[in-house]
Amino acid sequence: DVKVTQSSRYLVKRTGEKVFLECVQDMDHENMFWYRQDPGLGLRLIYFSYDVKMKEKGDIPEGYSVSREKKERFSLILESASTNQTSMYLCASSLWRGEEKLFFGSGTQLSVL
Amino acid sequence: KQEVTQIPAALSVPEGENLVLNCSFTDSAIYNLQWFRQDPGKGLTSLLLIQSSQREQTSGRLNASLDKSSGRSTLYIAASQPGDSATYLCAVSGTGNQFYFGTGTSLTVIP
Repeated sequence: DVKVTQSSRYLVKRTGEKVFLECVQDMDHENMFWYRQDPGLGLRLIYFSYDVKMKEKGDIPEGYSVSREKKERFSLILESASTNQTSMYLCASSLWRGEEKLFFGSGTQLSVL
Repeated sequence: KQEVTQIPAALSVPEGENLVLNCSFTDSAIYNLQWFRQDPGKGLTSLLLIQSSQREQTSGRLNASLDKSSGRSTLYIAASQPGDSATYLCAVSGTGNQFYFGTGTSLTVIP
């Protein structure tokens, strides 16, 4: 089955730090996504990528950037972490066709102090 | 923009009961609908995928139906068990390779 691996389960950072969240998938999927999940707000799309070096803004891209230099790896970057970016971050991948399954990593719980 | 709603937000049932979770969406132009399970502090696990041309999918004690014209899906869980306790989310995919999620139903199965 598809494996989507997020590099950290828990992360604690200081306000103003630059934070990198890494995600790797092993099934040659074209699409990769970064979501954040907050109580009462559900999953909100930050960025997605449909090919190497291609990216599209989601619903809440402010304060974030992404990098996709290789097909299997999609990184989320918090340029200057703030306390309101404390959240669960979920990476997902799928084939480019919209009719295929979406596979998730196990999530990274980020706390910004 | 597609909006996905799940009712109820929380549900508590005794073990052994059959139950139905609901999902509704506003735009019927979808490629598919997926049901996911999420345990506390974990990622989402895909349970069932229904293509837009299909009416239902089954996996073990789970059965998901889709009525695209009315913008509704249901997830039926038969003979519920305490291990079924989790949050269940539905998501629809549409144009632009995007997926739209409901906020989930938190299910507790009481032994």
